[in-house]
Amino acid sequence: GAGVSQTPSNKVTEKGKYVELRCDPISGHTALYWYRQSLGQGPEFLIYFQGTGAADDSGLPNDRFFAVRPEGSVSTLKIQRTERGDSAVYLCASSLTYNYGYTFGSGTRLTVV
Amino acid sequence: TQLLEQSPQFLSIQEGENLTVYCNSSSVFSSLQWYRQEPGEGPVLLVTVVTGGEVKKLKRLTFQFGDARKDSSLHITAAQTGDTGLYLCAGLGTYKYIFGTGTRLKVLA
Repeated sequence: GAGVSQTPSNKVTEKGKYVELRCDPISGHTALYWYRQSLGQGPEFLIYFQGTGAADDSGLPNDRFFAVRPEGSVSTLKIQRTERGDSAVYLCASSLTYNYGYTFGSGTRLTVV
Repeated sequence: TQLLEQSPQFLSIQEGENLTVYCNSSSVFSSLQWYRQEPGEGPVLLVTVVTGGEVKKLKRLTFQFGDARKDSSLHITAAQTGDTGLYLCAGLGTYKYIFGTGTRLKVLA
């Protein structure tokens, strides 16, 4: 596609529920990143995919967070047993490779109530 | 841990004024980028600098990478209301960019 697409744009869920956030990167971009951003702060790194594999998942806060990219294109970030502290904007970015500029999606605003 | 501190955190100025935003770290980065983010949108890449001492200009915006590649600055000349937004620097760590704390700029008409 022309840009990075993230769905849904907004998600409200109850504490303890499971959520999935989807990212559709720019076609041909092998590198894909997930970041989390709290209000007024810089994006915080979560995970980096190169192709289908997670090359760096050091930013995932705990084992409730998991992400996949099975065919090297679309990626899904999965959060189990959501907590109120998980509320944030989850940003996805893609790039040709790791040291190129990122193209970000508009993000998914997750609110856990 | 590589950290990027930006200053000031907030800046409110009148249209036509000049301003400088700083991005500082104790770590050396092989490249550094600047992004601008507007509410409800993802950050948009403005520039990438890779050489110590490098200066790049983008219309009224001037970006400089420190000689030691640990810091950077963004200077805006004659600010316009359209410059309002969150400015983010990002340094290349191990296979990913680490983002700074952000500077929220508001330009008043």
